[in-house]
Amino acid sequence: GDSVTQMEGPVTLSEEAFLTINCTYTATGYPSLFWYVQYPGEGLQLLLKATKADDKGSNKGFEATYRKETTSFHLEKGSVQVSDSAVYFCALRDAGGTSYGKLTFGQGTILTVHP
Amino acid sequence: NAGVTQTPKFQVLKTGQSMTLQCAQDMNHNSMYWYRQDPGMGLRLIYYSASEGTTDKGEVPNGYNVSRLNKREFSLRLESAAPSQTSVYFCASNQGESYTFGSGTRLTVV
Repeated sequence: GDSVTQMEGPVTLSEEAFLTINCTYTATGYPSLFWYVQYPGEGLQLLLKATKADDKGSNKGFEATYRKETTSFHLEKGSVQVSDSAVYFCALRDAGGTSYGKLTFGQGTILTVHP
Repeated sequence: NAGVTQTPKFQVLKTGQSMTLQCAQDMNHNSMYWYRQDPGMGLRLIYYSASEGTTDKGEVPNGYNVSRLNKREFSLRLESAAPSQTSVYFCASNQGESYTFGSGTRLTVV
């Protein structure tokens, strides 16, 4: 079945440091890939997505490129801020041609950014 | 505001008690989902409903039942709560690539 593996955390960085959170996936079809962010006490919010190979998703300074050859979708940001402290989830959707599609999530990576 | 509404936000149950978690969406989405979130395990799918009138098991359905009451509402029932069901529960809905999550229900079973 489908699966998503994220780098183990937690990750602790100083403000303005470079961030990478690794994500690799296994899927039988051609999935869409997502990064979600969860701030303390809140639900999940979509951060960015990519729907086909070589697509780059970007939002709020975060980027991730859909790499089919390495089955990866690593999240990067050039300069993190304290406000980026949150839990980050990589996820995939293998719709298989249907209009609905279950999301399969990685285990989540806790990011803490210190001033 | 359009979105997914979950009730209650917090709940403490004793082992063996039952309860129903409510979820409603007002975006006219066909598909709805129940996930549980546990530390270090991400979100795992409990049940989903691809459309009104249909429900299917997800990854971790044991101990739960669901009802898709109408297009808007999708409830999750715990018939006999167990400490292993202590978790944060999220409801979600989607149309195509657009998913919306509720703010969660934090359930503790003692």
